[in-house]
Amino acid sequence: AQTVTQSQPEMSVQEAETVTLSCTYDTSESDYYLFWYKQPPSRQMILVIRQEAYKQQNATENRFSVNFQKAAKSFSLKISDSQLGDAAMYFCAYRVRGNKLVFGAGTILRVKS
Amino acid sequence: DVKVTQSSRYLVKRTGEKVFLECVQDMDHENMFWYRQDPGLGLRLIYFSYDVKMKEKGDIPEGYSVSREKKERFSLILESASTNQTSMYLCASSLIDRGPEKLFFGSGTQLSVL
Repeated sequence: AQTVTQSQPEMSVQEAETVTLSCTYDTSESDYYLFWYKQPPSRQMILVIRQEAYKQQNATENRFSVNFQKAAKSFSLKISDSQLGDAAMYFCAYRVRGNKLVFGAGTILRVKS
Repeated sequence: DVKVTQSSRYLVKRTGEKVFLECVQDMDHENMFWYRQDPGLGLRLIYFSYDVKMKEKGDIPEGYSVSREKKERFSLILESASTNQTSMYLCASSLIDRGPEKLFFGSGTQLSVL
């Protein structure tokens, strides 16, 4: 079974600082995709960043970047220059081509001003 | 922008009631999904559909059924609601798999079964 583990139920970061959210996954597949979704208090899920497993280069979207370690099955999210609007629940998710998306339990990120 | 609309933001029902949760998307997406979200468990897939009248069980289908009579609408049905079905329900849609397609989510329905 495919599983996604987020070991940090909650994290805090000072505004303008950097924070890293951890995610590990378990799979025997070689072709798959990884995602980070953000869920603010509005409950609207927003895609933050995605990574294709065959790409060695780590994905980057503005202040958000990932550290993808395929051999270790690790996919952490780094948020630089944290802003108050980054406060949310963050979900790591995994999908094999043609199959469903599997989510982790989530990490609540609190941003302190 | 793609819009996924869930008919109710909050819903309170009694044990044993039949409950319908409706979801409509406006972008002609083939795939539609129903997830439930619980603290500490993340999102778990209940059912999904990749075409009209097609459905497949997800990881936790027990106690639920679905209906997809039209491409844009995907309904989740709780045949006889129970208290352990109190949860946040999220609907999502996506294009048919062409790679790292993202899911578009509705705003969720918080269902309380008393």
